[in-house]
Amino acid sequence: EVLLQQSGAELVRPGSSVKISCKASGYTFTDYYMHWVKQRPEQGLVWIGRINPANGNTVYAEKFKSKATLTADKSSNTAYMQLSSLTSEDTATYFCTRRGCMDAWGQGASVTVSS
Amino acid sequence: DIQMTQSPSLLSASVGDRVTLNCKASQNINKNLNWYQQKLGEAPKLLIYYTNNLQTGIPSRFSGSGSGTDYTLTISSLQPEDVATYFCFQYNSGPTFGAGTKLELK
Repeated sequence: EVLLQQSGAELVRPGSSVKISCKASGYTFTDYYMHWVKQRPEQGLVWIGRINPANGNTVYAEKFKSKATLTADKSSNTAYMQLSSLTSEDTATYFCTRRGCMDAWGQGASVTVSS
Repeated sequence: DIQMTQSPSLLSASVGDRVTLNCKASQNINKNLNWYQQKLGEAPKLLIYYTNNLQTGIPSRFSGSGSGTDYTLTISSLQPEDVATYFCFQYNSGPTFGAGTKLELK
């Protein structure tokens, strides 16, 4: 069974950074891109970017190029997303999801930015 | 960026109804479109990929169609468990989601 297990909820201060993890199991981690998606409360889905875990190559949506940094650790089958210079606009649930067709999703990681 | 416009934004229907959800792209996306279902408090779930391919394990009452800029998700006979928000997603260029259609029971 394919599983994507994300890290827990985070409460962080404005201006700080946060790093979310997504541990993959049930398939060969390096076979598929990992994508990240943002969902603000009661709102729709926004594609952030994707990483190729095999070689670390990344592609970002324009609006996230200075906000998000995607990395992957092949030794632990874990993908990471770091968000920097956090503001209230970054308060959201962040999902990792596998492959271009997004056929498996993590449970979501809630990030709350508040002083 | 390619804009994806979903309609209607809210749809009320009865159990057993045939339901049609629409997604219109701002330019040709060459059938590079998926549909997802998201229930309250859950992650999205892939229903349909590449316009009309049913994901494994998804009931056959779900189907997709379309080409060019216009795409449709159809539920042939609405069931109570289909209450959810449905998103289209294009990956032809600079991937983008539609804003969603919230489907509720009448």
